[in-house]
Amino acid sequence: SAVISQKPSRDICQRGTSLTIQCQVDSQVTMMFWYRQQPGQSLTLIATANQGSEATYESGFVIDKFPISRPNLTFSTLTVSNMSPEDSSIYLCSAQGRSNTDTQYFGPGTRLTVL
Amino acid sequence: GQQVMQIPQYQHVQEGEDFTTYCNSSTTLSNIQWYKQRPGGHPVFLIQLVKSGEVKKQKRLTFQFGEAKKNSSLHITATQTTDVGTYFCAGILTGGGNKLTFGTGTQLKVEL
Repeated sequence: SAVISQKPSRDICQRGTSLTIQCQVDSQVTMMFWYRQQPGQSLTLIATANQGSEATYESGFVIDKFPISRPNLTFSTLTVSNMSPEDSSIYLCSAQGRSNTDTQYFGPGTRLTVL
Repeated sequence: GQQVMQIPQYQHVQEGEDFTTYCNSSTTLSNIQWYKQRPGGHPVFLIQLVKSGEVKKQKRLTFQFGEAKKNSSLHITATQTTDVGTYFCAGILTGGGNKLTFGTGTQLKVEL
């Protein structure tokens, strides 16, 4: 299994600012993902964080708004740029091995409130 | 739009009653995973089903994967207050690589 930590655990930010969320995995993993979970809703995949190359974004999410880095196999960052109150949400990273039958483990999430 | 739907959206039961949540996909799934999210927590992996018609049990929990690999169910026997939370199914759409598509979730509340 993989243990995943995220920083910060929560933050309150002003409109127009940016926040970078860090995700650290305790072992080398192949796949890392970023999700958003709005209050009372399900999880929506933002992007797949690719090691050493640009992230792969899902429909409705763009790099300018959610730049992602993944410099190595155990670490990734998600930046929420030029925030608005609509960005208030929980942001979760997850990690998985190479096969799609490998378990996907989730970090504890970052609870973001934008005023 | 949402391709994986769950019903019911909410369920209140008395402790000791059974509970079932149903998961339906508009497309065939390579596999399906089930997660539990406690209030204020993050999704925790419960189980994965890969084979058509597969049934797996974990103590009071029974998971099924449909023959057509487009639906699944989670049944809890004799619920306890510790079962409170939201249960999500999440499937890998056929040809979807490693991407999980989460269901809409079923929130379970258990009353004494």
